[in-house]
Amino acid sequence: DTEVTQTPKHLVMGMTNKKSLKCEQHMGHRAMYWYKQKAKKPPELMFVYSYEKLSINESVPSRFSPECPNSSLLNLHLHALQPEDSALYLCASSQIGGDEQFFGPGTRLTVL
Amino acid sequence: GNSVTQMEGPVTLSEEAFLTINCTYTATGYPSLFWYVQYPGEGLQLLLKATKADDKGSNKGFEATYRKETTSFHLEKGSVQVSDSAVYFCAFLTGTASKLTFGTGTRLQVTL
Repeated sequence: DTEVTQTPKHLVMGMTNKKSLKCEQHMGHRAMYWYKQKAKKPPELMFVYSYEKLSINESVPSRFSPECPNSSLLNLHLHALQPEDSALYLCASSQIGGDEQFFGPGTRLTVL
Repeated sequence: GNSVTQMEGPVTLSEEAFLTINCTYTATGYPSLFWYVQYPGEGLQLLLKATKADDKGSNKGFEATYRKETTSFHLEKGSVQVSDSAVYFCAFLTGTASKLTFGTGTRLQVTL
């Protein structure tokens, strides 16, 4: 299985809502990533988890809260988002020290 | 600092035309180099990679050669198809970090 899955595919939420994005992989990768991609822009790294521990936080606002409950799952909890947070959120995974990141299809988030 | 410079798009070609998308990078150390492709409404897929100088990555008719002396990794394809229409991102990964540095992306539109 060489696939990274993400749910939901689309999400619309209000600024007072709490929602979560989910990412799953079964490739045995111990590094997992969250990226944010605005329209017509490259992905921007948000968080990196290594061995289920947060290793990189790219100064992301606290309204985004990542969680890695086990080696296969990565969540991104969302609370009190702003309309400018509307974007495609991509999850990726890789081997520790590996050079290839495998990306999921993304969750397209719209904040009203 | 680290950066990737890609040629501006969009690039519009007729089917069976020759494609070149230029990419140059600025990085410390000896990065691994990548081309990712993003089809409309989808996540990123790794198209090809090269990990050391003079390596040639190839996949689906696309090729790119790691040129250390010119810090370049230009993407080429001899005969494009309509199905190649997508956004192409050049990127690199340095050995000491898990961070992919992306270029701004080049949109390719292939017409009949």
